[in-house]
Amino acid sequence: DAGVIQSPRHEVTEMGQEVTLRCKPISGHDYLFWYRQTMMRGLELLIYFNNNVPIDDSGMPEDRFSAKMPNASFSTLKIQPSEPRDSAVYFCASSQGAEAFFGQGTRLTVV
Amino acid sequence: QKEVEQDPGPLSVPEGAIVSLNCTYSNSAFQYFMWYRQYSRKGPELLMYTYSSGNKEDGRFTAQVDKSSKYISLFIRDSQPSDSATYLCAINAGGTSYGKLTFGQGTILTVHP
Repeated sequence: DAGVIQSPRHEVTEMGQEVTLRCKPISGHDYLFWYRQTMMRGLELLIYFNNNVPIDDSGMPEDRFSAKMPNASFSTLKIQPSEPRDSAVYFCASSQGAEAFFGQGTRLTVV
Repeated sequence: QKEVEQDPGPLSVPEGAIVSLNCTYSNSAFQYFMWYRQYSRKGPELLMYTYSSGNKEDGRFTAQVDKSSKYISLFIRDSQPSDSATYLCAINAGGTSYGKLTFGQGTILTVHP
């Protein structure tokens, strides 16, 4: 398996624009996570899914953030409208047990 | 109080040294304990995974869990410059929260030749 695949790797956008981050989990994994990493706050869990169903979205910072998982092999994290404080590295991870496997991340810069 | 506390360092050691990295946690319900390594501009990669108290060894790495003290450690023997990275502890409560990991802040380690 190629591991967790995220796209794009880098995204630079202007404040107010919509941003969509994409994730393909490892085949057979039934959990999918979206994390955000910043120097100040470290790695924060935004939302996670089990069998495509959102289980806990308490980490989603605002209504501007939304996530979907239409099927077992694809998930999106959308920010609309984006703000400079959303600049961070966003990671997707998947698991079928207690340990999670991470993608390479999307580095988002909002100017 | 954060659920998982980890000293961010940075920690700088000479090649060949023994490195000790530590985390404390507050929730006694935590059952699964992991260490991740993250190189610069990369995603975290799983290093070690343990369940319940005790030691687990894998090559130069040893993970230790003391549930009575709510304390977890990662030891690196004969440290190498290639070990330079950020090390993150991660803990999973299991049960109805199975799958949800809580991470420490990460410790930045530099091993200099």
